[in-house]
Amino acid sequence: KNQVEQSPQSLIILEGKNCTLQCNYTVSPFSNLRWYKQDTGRGPVSLTIMTFSENTKSNGRYTATLDADTKQSSLHITASQLSDSASYICVVSGNTDKLIFGTGTRLQVFP
Amino acid sequence: DAGVTQSPTHLIKTRGQHVTLRCSPISGHKSVSWYQQVLGQGPQFIFQYYEKEERGRGNFPDRFSARQFPNYSSELNVNALLLGDSALYLCASIRSWQNYGYTFGSGTRLTVV
Repeated sequence: KNQVEQSPQSLIILEGKNCTLQCNYTVSPFSNLRWYKQDTGRGPVSLTIMTFSENTKSNGRYTATLDADTKQSSLHITASQLSDSASYICVVSGNTDKLIFGTGTRLQVFP
Repeated sequence: DAGVTQSPTHLIKTRGQHVTLRCSPISGHKSVSWYQQVLGQGPQFIFQYYEKEERGRGNFPDRFSARQFPNYSSELNVNALLLGDSALYLCASIRSWQNYGYTFGSGTRLTVV
């Protein structure tokens, strides 16, 4: 069964600290993996997208890694800001017409 | 993301009513997908349309239907609303057929009372 699992479910950190979010997937065949940031009640906003041949992708303070052999990805946030408080969703695409979403990690950044 | 327009932003309906949600994709994108996101959960795939034809359907009852117009905009219709249909409905505009370059709209928040 195609699944995307994320951990932790929720995370609280202090402003300025770094954090890493995890994503494990069982989707096969694999096409690409994306990380989205979603503010409450809003649509997801793309942070990174990686294909099978890419193992790291950065977007400002966000750095995603992908290990296609172990089917694991991580999203590292550097020097967190209050505005980073949101849900972070890992989304995997195979060769079908739909994206497979993880349930997300809820990140809260406190001053 | 800018470019994908969904309307209305918020909507309150009563059980048994019908609702129509609208989506305009990014200019040049020919495919749209609809997703339902219940509070606290990840989005669930409902439909995908490409060139005005249905190309994929998720595990949703026949009360849910959609269509795509010649200008590539799309409507999602839900009949006989249930309380459980309360959710954020997301439209994704797709650049190419290979599931690459999805851009989501801000969504329509539907509340069924």
